[in-house]
Amino acid sequence: AIQLTQSPSSLSASVGDRVTITCRASQGIDSALGWYQQQPGKAPKLLIFDASTLETGVPSRFSGGGSGTDFTLTITSLQPEDFATYYCQQFNSYPTFGQGTRLEIK
Amino acid sequence: EVELVESGGDLVQPGRSLRLSCAASGFTVSGNYVSWVRQAPGKGLEWVSMIYSGGSTSYADSVKGRFTISRDNSKNTLYLQMSSLRAEDTAVYYCARARNQWLALYFDHWGQGTLVTVSS
Repeated sequence: AIQLTQSPSSLSASVGDRVTITCRASQGIDSALGWYQQQPGKAPKLLIFDASTLETGVPSRFSGGGSGTDFTLTITSLQPEDFATYYCQQFNSYPTFGQGTRLEIK
Repeated sequence: EVELVESGGDLVQPGRSLRLSCAASGFTVSGNYVSWVRQAPGKGLEWVSMIYSGGSTSYADSVKGRFTISRDNSKNTLYLQMSSLRAEDTAVYYCARARNQWLALYFDHWGQGTLVTVSS
């Protein structure tokens, strides 16, 4: 099974900052990676698929990159509503998620 | 508009059974891939099971042989029959539609979740 490891596990930042979250796959997955945002008590929301394609309606301050085993989610100019937990996800035979990165207000 | 509404979560004793339901609208469960994904309290997301448009199913190793996913096309509803429940099955259970992109499947719509607590 392909494992996804996110770093960091938690991150503190301020409104207006730029942050980057990394997701590493245990084996190559081309660009078959998605990113989700989860607010406390809410269901996850798909932000990015195929590593870098923004889901409809997602603000352009979110961007994704990478291929193979190393991927990034970057948020430029953090907004108050961006403080949440972020997960990466792959699908190779079956889906797996990273362990999550909690983005907190500094 | 796509909507998924789960129900059936409850407090149940270890070893007992429980059935979750997920009523879908805005799309047909028969024509899509639909999954159950769970989240234990304070933990991350764990995929549980998928039913494909053709009717085939797949399961995480942690639930294989204990959980059964099914659907009722006439009711446009997804089910998860859970048996031999364990404390580690305690979680919020989400149903989610999996969109088939060129490279992979991604969960583009989620329900609000239903809480299953396994405890004596």
